[in-house]
Amino acid sequence: GIQVEQSPPDLILQEGANSTLRCNFSDSVNNLQWFHQNPWGQLINLFYIPSGTKQNGRLSATTVATERYSLLYISSSQTTDSGVYFCAVINDMRFGAGTRLTVKP
Amino acid sequence: DTAVSQTPKYLVTQMGNDKSIKCEQNLGHDTMYWYKQDSKKFLKIMFSYNNKELIINETVPNRFSPKSPDKAHLNLHINSLELGDSAVYFCASSTQGGQPQHFGDGTRLSIL
Repeated sequence: GIQVEQSPPDLILQEGANSTLRCNFSDSVNNLQWFHQNPWGQLINLFYIPSGTKQNGRLSATTVATERYSLLYISSSQTTDSGVYFCAVINDMRFGAGTRLTVKP
Repeated sequence: DTAVSQTPKYLVTQMGNDKSIKCEQNLGHDTMYWYKQDSKKFLKIMFSYNNKELIINETVPNRFSPKSPDKAHLNLHINSLELGDSAVYFCASSTQGGQPQHFGDGTRLSIL
């Protein structure tokens, strides 16, 4: 089955910093979704982004399906951004291992 | 108002018991899923149902049996619980396979 790899596995930021999280997948996909798992364990939809770029406030995502990767950008990070970020290839129901983000005040 | 709701939120029980987790969605979706998240946060698909029919059954012990009485519900019954079943179980739904999935808040199962 398709492999989904996320990097970095862990990321520590100072509040206000920007960051880029990466998701690589081993085969062509036509749907990809980013989630944030908050410290309470809830999985929050961020983006459904098969291709192209989307923005929602301080967050944006870009998927280049032909090159088999997706990026999640977080700008001006806040402590509430802490948690684990997952990308998932939805038609295969395969999740990456996640990037654990800690934003320090 | 909750789109995908799971009950109970927490479940603490003893090895060998049988338990059920319920899931309901009010989004009008016709595909529902069960995922297991282990202690290392890995999320793995267990089952997928479309219009009450089983679509995907990953390598899951047959002690786990999903039941879908209608499109809006997908319950998970677990027999003879084992220590390794301790995990967080998430229910999700979508309009059809390949479309954005919406997750419930999870059920944390702890086996004593």
